[in-house]
Amino acid sequence: DSGVTQTPKHLITATGQRVTLRCSPRSGDLSVYWYQQSLDQGLQFLIQYYNGEERAKGNILERFSAQQFPDLHSELNLSSLELGDSALYFCASSVSGQGVFSEAFFGQGTRLTVV
Amino acid sequence: QQQVKQSPQSLIVQKGGISIINCAYENTAFDYFPWYQQFPGKGPALLIAIRPDVSEKKEGRFTISFNKSAKQFSLHIMDSQPGDSATYFCAGGYSGAGSYQLTFGKGTKLSVIP
Repeated sequence: DSGVTQTPKHLITATGQRVTLRCSPRSGDLSVYWYQQSLDQGLQFLIQYYNGEERAKGNILERFSAQQFPDLHSELNLSSLELGDSALYFCASSVSGQGVFSEAFFGQGTRLTVV
Repeated sequence: QQQVKQSPQSLIVQKGGISIINCAYENTAFDYFPWYQQFPGKGPALLIAIRPDVSEKKEGRFTISFNKSAKQFSLHIMDSQPGDSATYFCAGGYSGAGSYQLTFGKGTKLSVIP
């Protein structure tokens, strides 16, 4: 158990809908990262938050957004869903994200299926 | 643009053999090179990592070899065991501008057969 909690574990929704994925980082970790894992693209970095502030953006679509709340949990919002958004979405957390490396711990992921 | 190229996509090794997975990177700003192991239904977990000022790092049966001039690094698993069967991801880490990003390779599915 990495200590990173993601909910829900599975989500099935229809095209055009909006969903919210939730992540609780390990206790004490200030950074949260979101990744998308698909069969053909592997693990793609989406976005990073550090202590409530956005720090880095990767290949995140405009239909997707995220935030990190004062209690450090994070949510990834996916809207106007398309079939191609079906994937595993991982959250990871680490102690810091300001140029000091620390191990990133991954949650077990949310499997999103868009039908 | 894929910044970390990983090969092979899949690998079958006999129990007791050596598993070798290779990665090449393009971004010279990377300053951290971790390997992650992922079992089905689980999130990736850090296996071993190296910084570019070191050419080799060994932890138990796992060794990273790093060639900065060639921009390549590899994972060697000695005495491979069936329990090592998993997908392995290499990554390049960049910690500039107050952020920390990992760019992953596409993964190698390792099967260790008894």
